[in-house]
Amino acid sequence: KAGVTQTPRYLIKTRGQQVTLSCSPISGHRSVSWYQQTPGQGLQFLFEYFSETQRNKGNFPGRFSGRQFSNSRSEMNVSTLELGDSALYLCASRPGTVNNSPLHFGNGTRLTVT
Amino acid sequence: GESVGLHLPTLSVQEGDNSIINCAYSNSASDYFIWYKQESGKGPQFIIDIRSNMDKRQGQRVTVLLNKTVKHLSLQIAATQPGDSAVYFCAEAQAAGNKLTFGGGTRVLVKP
Repeated sequence: KAGVTQTPRYLIKTRGQQVTLSCSPISGHRSVSWYQQTPGQGLQFLFEYFSETQRNKGNFPGRFSGRQFSNSRSEMNVSTLELGDSALYLCASRPGTVNNSPLHFGNGTRLTVT
Repeated sequence: GESVGLHLPTLSVQEGDNSIINCAYSNSASDYFIWYKQESGKGPQFIIDIRSNMDKRQGQRVTVLLNKTVKHLSLQIAATQPGDSAVYFCAEAQAAGNKLTFGGGTRVLVKP
């Protein structure tokens, strides 16, 4: 099976712009989660989607949003970018039908805000 | 676990020796624990997980130990190899949902 695929791998944006990141989960996985990784804060949970519905949400401002499509692919959007949004954004998937099955991560999108 | 930010603790290990990576978790309600390995330029890779009704679980060359009394988790890697050089993260989750809370990570350097 192909793993979790994230596009693009690298992105450079300017403050104030918005950005959309894309994630294709492992085939058959219906749950998609997003995490932000920075040197200062480590790995932090953004949100989780299951069957096109947000099932869980972390402590990030409303500028961070996401959605999931009927084929389980997911996108996350960050509006009005700030310098502090520079990070590695990781998408992870799991079947979603069994609690606590391990998350499988993609290799992330490296976002740089200038 | 608490994030330790830029200054990751580092474990330097001789090739062939055993490695032990420790993790203190914060939430006594957590009932699921997991270890990930992250190599440079890649996402975290699942290593092994354990539920709170167990205190030990073994995989291929890895063992996870859970001590709920002191809220401590450890990962043991047997016969450490150069390919084991990476940053290792522990994470915890409560029973409902899959929101993981990650520790700050430990860098493992394997010396030939």
